[in-house]
Amino acid sequence: GAVVSQHPSRVICKSGTSVKIECRSLDFQATTMFWYRQFPKQSLMLMATSNEGSKATYEQGVEKDKFLINHASLTLSTLTVTSAHPEDSSFYICSAKPGVNTEAFFGQGTRLTVV
Amino acid sequence: QQQVKQSPQSLIVQKGGISIINCAYENTAFDYFPWYQQFPGKGPALLIAIRPDVSEKKEGRFTISFNKSAKQFSLHIMDSQPGDSATYFCAAPGPVDNRLAFGKGNQVVVIP
Repeated sequence: GAVVSQHPSRVICKSGTSVKIECRSLDFQATTMFWYRQFPKQSLMLMATSNEGSKATYEQGVEKDKFLINHASLTLSTLTVTSAHPEDSSFYICSAKPGVNTEAFFGQGTRLTVV
Repeated sequence: QQQVKQSPQSLIVQKGGISIINCAYENTAFDYFPWYQQFPGKGPALLIAIRPDVSEKKEGRFTISFNKSAKQFSLHIMDSQPGDSATYFCAAPGPVDNRLAFGKGNQVVVIP
């Protein structure tokens, strides 16, 4: 299957700082990437849909200014958690699809801990 | 997003047994239904997927059965192994932007 690489896998940051998470599709182009958040023992919650060359579409309740998404190329989307606080600590996962009606492939996830 | 409901929430199976987990979905205009497997601390990995033009698809020990009229599909894990212990998510694409809606997950534990 296609490979989606997410970096970093773990990050610890101080409260008030910003953290950038990268999501790359390694062997295919993805016009659309998705960002999820997952709490322990819970399902994946879609945060936003990242569209190459245009603004991201955020799900209801997700703060656009807190979670900045940039999809600058067909293989790279970034999620920046701005002014992070302990409640932002979570597991963040990206996914990408090679086409419209195709499988979604997921990155390895990023464990963010804000101290 | 549409709702996707999984059952049972958790399952304990003896090694060598069959694990069966189910997924029910609401209306969808798309034709793709996947199961994902997730181990602790890792991202979900696509396990098997089906399109509704067939009622069953088998890949190794994993079989997915699809019932379009009932809006349900299920995952069967034959000859379950301890390494199959994981959380399994079903998903269905919604009618808007092709976004996947995930179920809450089924935790499967295979005991030796």
